[in-house]
Amino acid sequence: DARVTQTPRHKVTEMGQEVTMRCQPILGHNTVFWYRQTMMQGLELLAYFRNRAPLDDSGMPKDRFSAEMPDATLATLKIQPSEPRDSAVYFCASGLAGELFFGEGSRLTVL
Amino acid sequence: AQSVTQPDIHITVSEGASLELRCNYSYGATPYLFWYVQSPGQGLQLLLKYFSGDTLVQGIKGFEAEFKRSQSSFNLRKPSVHWSDAAEYFCAVGAISTGNQFYFGTGTSLTVIP
Repeated sequence: DARVTQTPRHKVTEMGQEVTMRCQPILGHNTVFWYRQTMMQGLELLAYFRNRAPLDDSGMPKDRFSAEMPDATLATLKIQPSEPRDSAVYFCASGLAGELFFGEGSRLTVL
Repeated sequence: AQSVTQPDIHITVSEGASLELRCNYSYGATPYLFWYVQSPGQGLQLLLKYFSGDTLVQGIKGFEAEFKRSQSSFNLRKPSVHWSDAAEYFCAVGAISTGNQFYFGTGTSLTVIP
């Protein structure tokens, strides 16, 4: 059963530390999205890729966040340095032909 | 500008009662429309989608939705709600023509009471 895999599922870190979240999209999907979910803001689009090329990262704080797809099987979202306001659930989703499939999310807590 | 509005933040229904969750969208291109469900601690699961054709679409778990272009709406319905339907529901709009950009509503939280 094909699914989007995200690691880690949970991460607790201290302010100022680097955090890297990883996503393995479904094989064959040509789009990958990163979303952040918080109670206050709901689902926010951070970045998305098509055929590994970044198409839109306007929702991402550029000074501390970066998103990459080093290859078709891996997408990464990095926060450096992390801040308490980054605490949220980060979702990766991959898609093909206009349909999105979500991973189970990475819950980040920054103390 | 593209946007999705879910006017109901929270809805409470009795088990066995019917359900309708509202969704309105604003989208310049021909939209693809989706409903997703999120259980606590889980990712979003696709309930149903509308791309074209019949405006009444059937999804999983007994859900259906109707696309009404004149009202820019895509409301989700279920004739008889089960306690396991308690979750957060998200409406989304997207289109391949705009690079597969997706826009999500703010979600509707559903509580089911016995």
